[in-house]
Amino acid sequence: GAVVSQHPSRVICKSGTSVKIECRSLDFQATTMFWYRQFPKKSLMLMATSNEGSKATYEQGVEKDKFLINHASLTLSTLTVTSAHPEDSSFYICSARPQGGIETQYFGPGTRLLVL
Amino acid sequence: AQTVTQSQPEMSVQEAETVTLSCTYDTSENNYYLFWYKQPPSRQMILVIRQEAYKQQNATENRFSVNFQKAAKSFSLKISDSQLGDTAMYFCAFIRSSGAGSYQLTFGKGTKLSVIP
Repeated sequence: GAVVSQHPSRVICKSGTSVKIECRSLDFQATTMFWYRQFPKKSLMLMATSNEGSKATYEQGVEKDKFLINHASLTLSTLTVTSAHPEDSSFYICSARPQGGIETQYFGPGTRLLVL
Repeated sequence: AQTVTQSQPEMSVQEAETVTLSCTYDTSENNYYLFWYKQPPSRQMILVIRQEAYKQQNATENRFSVNFQKAAKSFSLKISDSQLGDTAMYFCAFIRSSGAGSYQLTFGKGTKLSVIP
């Protein structure tokens, strides 16, 4: 149980295009989902907290117009990187917290984004 | 603000031996949760073990156990009978149980563990 999927697992795009990453909780409902960014050999950096049916809360320094987050249902959150540039290349990971449950977060397998 | 410190950037252990990864944290909260996550080369974050601060008993999960010292704000992970599949980055993490910013994980910088055959 507690499986989280991410799609796509890897994406290469041209500079200036937008990329959408989906995060799904497959066997549980998630009131809250989180989006992280991870640079090589570094820890996870929280970008935003996404609550179903409401606007995401962004961490300081994260551009909300650049990284659009939508959490339209209890099992799906999307992160759209708008007008991507090479400096947006990174590993993006989502996690989901089960509804009404314990404090544990379950992580997706991550998405490798490369912007050329 | 909460901080999590992992003072060992890299460690190695012989297969079948025991290794302990250290973690300290700083918080003024009384109710919180602590976690160890594992990130193998596949980069999938996997929950290893979880500890509630209000529980005095140390959590155990098969070969993995913790030594939770609340007063010292220490939360070390012991891996017994190390296996090659244990090779990974290990992240210690903290989460508040209530209030603003709750449910947000604060991660340490990680410890890279290599299990040597």
